[in-house]
Amino acid sequence: GQQVMQIPQYQHVQEGEDFTTYCNSSTTLSNIQWYKQRPGGHPVFLIQLVKSGEVKKQKRLTFQFGEAKKNSSLHITATQTTDVGTYFCAGEDLFQRAQKLVFGQGTRLTINP
Amino acid sequence: GAVVSQHPSRVICKSGTSVKIECRSLDFQATTMFWYRQFPKQSLMLMATSNEGSKATYEQGVEKDKFLINHASLTLSTLTVTSAHPEDSSFYICSASAASFSSYEQYFGPGTRLTVT
Repeated sequence: GQQVMQIPQYQHVQEGEDFTTYCNSSTTLSNIQWYKQRPGGHPVFLIQLVKSGEVKKQKRLTFQFGEAKKNSSLHITATQTTDVGTYFCAGEDLFQRAQKLVFGQGTRLTINP
Repeated sequence: GAVVSQHPSRVICKSGTSVKIECRSLDFQATTMFWYRQFPKQSLMLMATSNEGSKATYEQGVEKDKFLINHASLTLSTLTVTSAHPEDSSFYICSASAASFSSYEQYFGPGTRLTVT
């Protein structure tokens, strides 16, 4: 079945440094979504990417969707302590039941102030 | 907008008993609701998808008779863990989606932490 791999599993940075997490799907995706989960909290929707090669920005966050629609990345510029949490990508397989999301393992970001 | 509530937030029960978890969309009508399970420091595993008025679609490996899902209305779905055992202890999270959204993002409830003793 569809698998979504995310790396790295953990990332610790100094405040102000950049951070990137990568997501790879074993199958072609119709769309990919990114979620953030704070410690002790629940996932919160960040963004959805649909088009091949799409790039979207939200302030310091940049999201990319690969040309083949099988990989994606999230880049945070100049991290702040409020960025702490686990970032999950979640892919919707192009040929599977609509709205079924397969989540990556997540990248847990910790920041040294 | 797009707020999803879950009740209870925490529950401790004895082995062999059943536990019901409610998931409500507070300010929108959820076309579809999803139930996930999350183990500590791990990812979310989809258990089942439910549409209002129809039977839930369970993922492979999820026992239908153990995890009963009822989607009685466009704002309420319930998950009942029947004859719970310690291995069922986990964080259960629901999410809801609506066809009226511009994209099919899911809005998650705060989760229910189940501990079976």
